Amino acid sequence: EEQLVESGGGLVQPGGSLRLSCGASGFSFDDYAMHWVRQAPGKGLEWVSGINWNSGTMAYADSVKGRFIISRDKAKHSLYLQMNSLRPEDTALYYCVKDTGGSHLRNFDDWGQGTLVTVSS
Amino acid sequence: DIQMTQSPSSLSASVGDRVTITCRASQSVGNYLNWYQQKPGRAPKVLISIASSLQGGVPSRFSGSGSGTDFTLIISGLQPEDVATYYCQQSFITPLTFGGGTKVEIK
Repeated sequence: EEQLVESGGGLVQPGGSLRLSCGASGFSFDDYAMHWVRQAPGKGLEWVSGINWNSGTMAYADSVKGRFIISRDKAKHSLYLQMNSLRPEDTALYYCVKDTGGSHLRNFDDWGQGTLVTVSS
Repeated sequence: DIQMTQSPSSLSASVGDRVTITCRASQSVGNYLNWYQQKPGRAPKVLISIASSLQGGVPSRFSGSGSGTDFTLIISGLQPEDVATYYCQQSFITPLTFGGGTKVEIK
C-alpha cells in the first residue's frame, strides 16, 4: 500500500524557518514526481512546490518563490520542504503528494495526511 | 498564472438530484483538468483526470466533460456520501492551480 507520512510541522515565529519531511513507502519513490500542497484553515487548496523524479525540474508558487526550497533524497525515500522567512499567511496544513508520472509536474495522485504549520508570535 | 474559477461556491441538493459544478480557466488548458473530492477532515482524493477519465474505484455517477477553458463535473444522482468540497485543478502548466472549491451539502 502506498503511504506518505509528513512530519516537521509546528509553531514558528514570523521570519523563522522550518523543514518539513515526507517519508514514502509502498511504491518506487525514484520513479515519481512529488509535490507539496497546502490548505490554510477553512480555505481551499494551494499548490506550493513540485520536483520531478531526478530533481532536474523544480517549480514553486509565486507566493513562496525565493523563500521555500524543495528537495528529495533517493536513498531515504524522502521529500523535503525547507521553509524560510515564514509569514503568518504560510499557516496551513501541508500535504505531501505523489504525482502520477515522473518527468512532468502535473497531477496529484496519493496524498499524505498533512502536517500543520502555524506561523505566529 | 492560470486562474481557475469554480461555480457555484456552494450548493444544497436533495438525494438523487443531478448536481452540476463548473470550472473555467483564464486561458486554454486543453484537457489538462482534474477534479478532486475532499471530505471533511480528510485529504483530497482524485475523481477525474484529463477532464473526463474516471479514476478507478470512483462511482459511475461522477462524470467530467469539457476542454479548452470550460469544464463540468456532474454527479448524476447525489448520495449522502457525496457531501464534500470539490476542486478542479489545471495540470497544463506550472504553477499548478486549483479552483476555489464547491461545497456540496444535502438538503
